[in-house]
Amino acid sequence: DTGVSQNPRHKITKRGQNVTFRCDPISEHNRLYWYRQTLGQGPEFLTYFQNEAQLEKSRLLSDRFSAERPKGSFSTLEIQRTEQGDSAMYLCASSLASEQYFGPGTRLTVT
Amino acid sequence: GQQLNQSPQSMFIQEGEDVSMNCTSSSIFNTWLWYKQDPGEGPVLLIALYKAGELTSNGRLTAQFGITRKDSFLNISASIPSDVGIYFCAGQRGGADGLTFGKGTHLIIQP
Repeated sequence: DTGVSQNPRHKITKRGQNVTFRCDPISEHNRLYWYRQTLGQGPEFLTYFQNEAQLEKSRLLSDRFSAERPKGSFSTLEIQRTEQGDSAMYLCASSLASEQYFGPGTRLTVT
Repeated sequence: GQQLNQSPQSMFIQEGEDVSMNCTSSSIFNTWLWYKQDPGEGPVLLIALYKAGELTSNGRLTAQFGITRKDSFLNISASIPSDVGIYFCAGQRGGADGLTFGKGTHLIIQP
């Protein structure tokens, strides 16, 4: 399968713990995006990388969130000191141009 | 964050019927995309539109980029059971920007 992959698919954590998610984009895609989706809503943009450079961050990305793409390939999204409001599906997408292709997402539940 | 106005919110139709849904925005987008999402999965790209007035088909799906660049429409002809899911519109201002999504149209097909 040469699509976008995300790991883990599901994560349950206690409030206050740190969590890290991984995204592997389609191999030739230089752009990588992170989105968050809550129940009944469309995905909301969080941040975007072109190669290893993080070029844009939404105001939704609080200082507890950090994203990296160290070698311009896979990316990680870390949430520190998780809160119940962080419970959501975290989606990754990659692209070469305008068309963004999404991974299956990581479902985070904070208890 | 901002979301596009997507309607209807849900549709209950009979198998074989045609479906129409639309998406509007208060601001201009230079690219419109339509996605379908199944429960627990990431959105799957259906159609991308790049020019005002453009009409593009993908099998039984046809989408149009509104001439004002503030709206888009998706039609599905002769619906079948596997069309069930949530359809999202997304707008993009620049070619590398994050996407702005609608809240989705939930399509339910009664056999």
